[in-house]
Amino acid sequence: AQKITQTQPGMFVQEKEAVTLDCTYDTSDPSYGLFWYKQPSSGEMIFLIYQGSYDQQNATEGRYSLNFQKARKSANLVISASQLGDSAMYFCAMRASNTGNQFYFGTGTSLTVIP
Amino acid sequence: EAGVTQFPSHSVIEKGQTVTLRCDPISGHDNLYWYRRVMGKEIKFLLHFVKESKQDESGMPNNRFLAERTGGTYSTLKVQPAELEDSGVYFCASSQDLYGPQETQYFGPGTRLLVL
Repeated sequence: AQKITQTQPGMFVQEKEAVTLDCTYDTSDPSYGLFWYKQPSSGEMIFLIYQGSYDQQNATEGRYSLNFQKARKSANLVISASQLGDSAMYFCAMRASNTGNQFYFGTGTSLTVIP
Repeated sequence: EAGVTQFPSHSVIEKGQTVTLRCDPISGHDNLYWYRRVMGKEIKFLLHFVKESKQDESGMPNNRFLAERTGGTYSTLKVQPAELEDSGVYFCASSQDLYGPQETQYFGPGTRLLVL
């Protein structure tokens, strides 16, 4: 069975500081993809970053990076130099090759950036 | 390029009534997905269309839910009759082609459904 776990319901970070949002996953499929989405108060789910299970390097997209530790089955999102606009809900998701095309999501982490 | 759009943004109905949610995917995206998030829980898959065909409907909770995608463009999700436990946020997502696990799904803003 596929499962995503986000253990931090809420996080606070000072503006301009870095923050790590945790995500662990469980799958027996050797081929899978890991995604992070941001959901601001407006409701739209915004795709942030992708990491493939066979990728050798950690994914980076601007201020977002994914700390991928395959042996530990973790895919933590790191946001550097936090901005007020980063305050939002963040979801970790996984898609595995052998279980169709659906995404499996965690319960999300609510991030608040403090000025 | 317009993103995934959903209508309505909010709906409040009484138990036993019918509600129809609409999703317009990104133009040219053959794959359309419906997901649901019940309060405080994870977002869960409902079903997947490839063009107008249902590829996977394993997540549909029961036969009160009916999804259609006539012509392979927009999709509707009808709940009839609605029950209290149907309350939640219904998300639609679309993707272009199925290239494997790296295929990104683009999500709409969701429809917030409240059944009283």
